[in-house]
Amino acid sequence: EAGVAQSPRYKIIEKRQSVAFWCNPISGHATLYWYQQILGQGPKLLIQFQNNGVVDDSQLPKDRFSAERLKGVDSTLKIQPAKLEDSAVYLCASSSLGLANEQYFGPGTRLTVT
Amino acid sequence: SQQGEEDPQALSIQEGENATMNCSYKTSINNLQWYRQNSGRGLVHLILIRSNEREKHSGRLRVTLDTSKKSSSLLITASRAADTASYFCATDANFGNEKLTFGTGTRLTIIP
Repeated sequence: EAGVAQSPRYKIIEKRQSVAFWCNPISGHATLYWYQQILGQGPKLLIQFQNNGVVDDSQLPKDRFSAERLKGVDSTLKIQPAKLEDSAVYLCASSSLGLANEQYFGPGTRLTVT
Repeated sequence: SQQGEEDPQALSIQEGENATMNCSYKTSINNLQWYRQNSGRGLVHLILIRSNEREKHSGRLRVTLDTSKKSSSLLITASRAADTASYFCATDANFGNEKLTFGTGTRLTIIP
């Protein structure tokens, strides 16, 4: 089966600019996650969707970050405006209900904010 | 916030030796999972152990879980150069939404 797809793989922007990331989960996976991974740290959950509904966005900086999953399949994560501290790898993962939350990760998007 | 803390932060061993890394966590859990991350890549699921299990094996991997001490260990036997990666534990803390909280990771280097 195809894995989780993400694009772009790399992005460099200046602070105060906007950026958007795209994720296509594994077919049939109801749950989709966006993580932020700062260099040298573990992934931190930003937002979790189940189908097209938000399950958890408690750690999403909502003043600048937004995410949507309109048709319950692919998803976009947007940052507007970006700050220097947003430099990180943004990982998308998906999982299938009833499989104890084993998550499948995409390759990530490395964002550098200058 | 990080739920788990891996120990050590970095580990270098000779190829063929065994590698052990530990994870401590703070709250009660449904299950604990270990993931591997190669440099510049996404995470790959390795093994899941449920809160009512004490030990689990998968190929060269052995995971233990001690819920009384809120700790887990991952043993990789007969290490290979391809095992060089970062290893993260992740806990499902029984909040009802299957949210995983990742630790800080152990950077493992296998010296050929």
